[in-house]
Amino acid sequence: EDQVTQSPEALRLQEGESSSLNCSYTVSGLRGLFWYRQDPGKGPEFLFTLYSAGEEKEKERLKATLTKKESFLHITAPKPEDSATYLCAASRGETSGSRLTFGEGTQLTVNP
Amino acid sequence: DAGVIQSPRHEVTEMGQEVTLRCKPISGHNSLFWYRQTMMRGLELLIYFNNNVPIDDSGMPEDRFSAKMPNASFSTLKIQRTQQEDSAVYLCASSPQRGGRDTQYFGPGTRLTVL
Repeated sequence: EDQVTQSPEALRLQEGESSSLNCSYTVSGLRGLFWYRQDPGKGPEFLFTLYSAGEEKEKERLKATLTKKESFLHITAPKPEDSATYLCAASRGETSGSRLTFGEGTQLTVNP
Repeated sequence: DAGVIQSPRHEVTEMGQEVTLRCKPISGHNSLFWYRQTMMRGLELLIYFNNNVPIDDSGMPEDRFSAKMPNASFSTLKIQRTQQEDSAVYLCASSPQRGGRDTQYFGPGTRLTVL
């Protein structure tokens, strides 16, 4: 059975304090690893897709990396507006459509 | 593009009633997904369609739940005889079909409260 596990469940940082969120996955035939950001009362907002081990992608203060077993979302010098729940999801190779298995999320709070 | 559109945004109903949630996917996307999100269980896939055809409905909790996609631009999720445990945020997502590497784009969700 496909599994995606995120840690920690919650993380509190001071503004400017860099850190990383972890996403471990067990998915046979991984086709893509997705990161989303979700603000309260809104749907998940797409951030990154990673397709192969060693791949990295960056967007502003965020950088996502992928190994064969896990993915990291690095947050450099975070600001209060980075506070949100970050969700990781894995897609397996299927002939019809793309089914995602989501982790439970990491709730990030950045204090000014 | 307007993104995925869901309606209503909030629905409050009494136990035993029927509710219908609506979703309009992004134009040109072939796949549509319905999820349920709760604090206890996180994001759960209920059903997904590819080219308007249901592919996997194994996540539908029981036969009180049904979903349709009559055309490429509209889908409904109906819950009959609602129960308090159905209270959740129901999210719709769509994606283009490119063989497993497709990004899903989510709507804002419908928050359902069953009293």
